Formats: sequence, C-alpha cells, structure tokens
Amino acid sequence: AQTVTQSQPEMSVQEAETVTLSCTYDTSESDYYLFWYKQPPSRQMILVIRREAYKQQNATENRFSVNFQKAAKSFSLKISDSQLGDAAMYFCAYRSAVGGIGGSNYKLTFGKGTLLTVNP
Amino acid sequence: DTEVTQTPKHLVMGMTNKKSLKCEQHMGHRAMYWYKQKAKKPPELMFVYSYEKLSINESVPSRFSPECPNSSLLNLHLHALQPEDSALYLCASSQASPGTPRGDTQYFGPGTRLTVL
Repeated sequence: AQTVTQSQPEMSVQEAETVTLSCTYDTSESDYYLFWYKQPPSRQMILVIRREAYKQQNATENRFSVNFQKAAKSFSLKISDSQLGDAAMYFCAYRSAVGGIGGSNYKLTFGKGTLLTVNP
Repeated sequence: DTEVTQTPKHLVMGMTNKKSLKCEQHMGHRAMYWYKQKAKKPPELMFVYSYEKLSINESVPSRFSPECPNSSLLNLHLHALQPEDSALYLCASSQASPGTPRGDTQYFGPGTRLTVL
C-alpha cells in the first residue's frame, strides 16, 4: 500500500520569505499522480499543485512550485514570497487505483499535514 | 468552474435523529466521493461513486448510507450516529476517466461540520 509522509507537523515563515514543505512517499507503481492541497481555517480543501510522475517538467503555479525527485520518492512544495493568506494546513496526497466496479477508481492517500504559519 | 457545493454548512443532531448531507457539482464529473475528517487529521475516504453506482465502500458502518440520485448529486444519509462520528464531512468529485484533462484531480466542497450529541 502507498504511504505518504510529511515530517514537519508545523512550519513558520516570515511574510515575503520562502518556505519549503517536505513530502515523501512509498510506492511500487511506475506512473502516478501527486498533489498538494491547502486547507485554510475555512476548511475548504483547495488544490495547490499537481504532478504526474512520468512528466519531465516540474509543476509551477505562480508562487508555488514543486521539487519532484522520483528516485528519492520526494515531492516537496516551495512557496515563494509568502503571504498571510498562505497560512493553512498543507496536505500532500498520492493518487492510487483501487478496486471496485465501474472501471478504474482512485483514492487519495494523504500525509498527516503540515500547519504553516505566516508571520507579518 | 471547479465548484462543489455542500449543504448544510453545520449540523447538530442527536443520536436518534435522521439527517442527510447533500453535495452537488455541475462540472460533468462522473466520480464522486465522501471523506470524513477529524480535527487536525487528514481526510479519510468513506465512499466512491462512479457513474452513479457505488464503487467503493471503505468498511463504513451502516449508520452512514450514501445515495447518488443523478450524476450531479450525492447524498449521505445519517441515522443513529454516535458522538465519535462528529467530524467534518467532505465531498469531492473528479472525472471518472483519468485520461481526460485534469481527470486525475479531485475537487473538494467546503464540507459539513457535523456534531452528534
């Protein structure tokens, strides 16, 4: 079974600085998808960034970028120019296929999360 | 439009009550999910519907009963719940065919905060 590990329960960063959140995973699959979701106090899970394992180019969304090291099974999230609105719980997730009817079905396996605080 | 809506936002119920949670999406997604999230924990998958059929039940107690009346709606019927069932219940949807653009991505609703007294 796939596992996702986020080793930093809490992180803090000064406004306008850069912070990196770590995520490692364990899998025997050769192709898969990885995600970072953000959950602010409002509770909504918001997709931050996604990455297919076989693609060459690292994903970037504005101030958010990932460093994907397939051999090391590492998928870290870098937030540049941190803003107060970035304060949230960040979850790393792995999408895996599961059984069931209706063809392929997928579930997300989440890490335990990293609570990010942004200091003014 | 990547919006998934959930009602109600908050729900308080007694252990003998019957209530329902509702989830709706209009993105044409054919896979829908229920997750349960306890405080300061990651979401845990409960059910997956694919093309309006229950595809996955992650050994959820029968006091939780999902229903998918059509491709846009997903309900979760609650009966005889226990206080430990108090949690945030999240709905999500995605394309059922992962080969479609962003078919791999699940989009979440804002959740229903459930308190069982």
